Amino acid sequence: QKEVEQNSGPLSVPEGAIASLNCTYSDRGSQSFFWYRQYSGKSPELIMSIYSNGDKEDGRFTAQLNKASQYVSLLIRDSQPSDSATYLCAVNPAGNKLTFGGGTRVLVKP
Amino acid sequence: DAEITQSPRHKITETGRQVTLACHQTWNHNNMFWYRQDLGHGLRLIHYSYGVQDTNKGEVSDGYSVSRSNTEDLPLTLESAASSQTSVYFCASSAGTTGELFFGEGSRLTVL
Repeated sequence: QKEVEQNSGPLSVPEGAIASLNCTYSDRGSQSFFWYRQYSGKSPELIMSIYSNGDKEDGRFTAQLNKASQYVSLLIRDSQPSDSATYLCAVNPAGNKLTFGGGTRVLVKP
Repeated sequence: DAEITQSPRHKITETGRQVTLACHQTWNHNNMFWYRQDLGHGLRLIHYSYGVQDTNKGEVSDGYSVSRSNTEDLPLTLESAASSQTSVYFCASSAGTTGELFFGEGSRLTVL
């Protein structure tokens, strides 16, 4: 079992809809959780971080964390074509290094 | 502005040759990391360093080495390149214990 699991997609959503991305992790001791966005041919960039159970909102993005279920999600509201990218879930199980999931490819269709 | 740069951005080499990928950051971050990214595997950690003279193996370290002689640089060396090491390599750095990474632009390596 991989340490961080994501559905590879592609997740196809119409413009203006909500995109919902899911991520599960195996290490119960993980304390920090991140979502990175990666455009094709580019490097990953951090878009959200979450450290405690519940929801965290930043603009059109909402991260949700449930440590009991070992589950992290990302919601993208009012999806735009510019949101088309691969979204990487990352978990900090120990120390300062991150473990990444395989990423979910999102396609927003006009 | 602070940044993290990688060189070369693209390299083609032959099996058995030694290759070094450079990574230089001006964030003054203590933590530096090398990842490789392949289709179907996401980002996998090769080596990492928490400070000068500190280096640690990641999950896919076989065939790779790093050294940290100063804060700014963490070069990645492939001692004898293999075709299985064809990949995109990302260097990243972070400060403190937050886990927030800043990535370089990536180096695409092809081993023929």
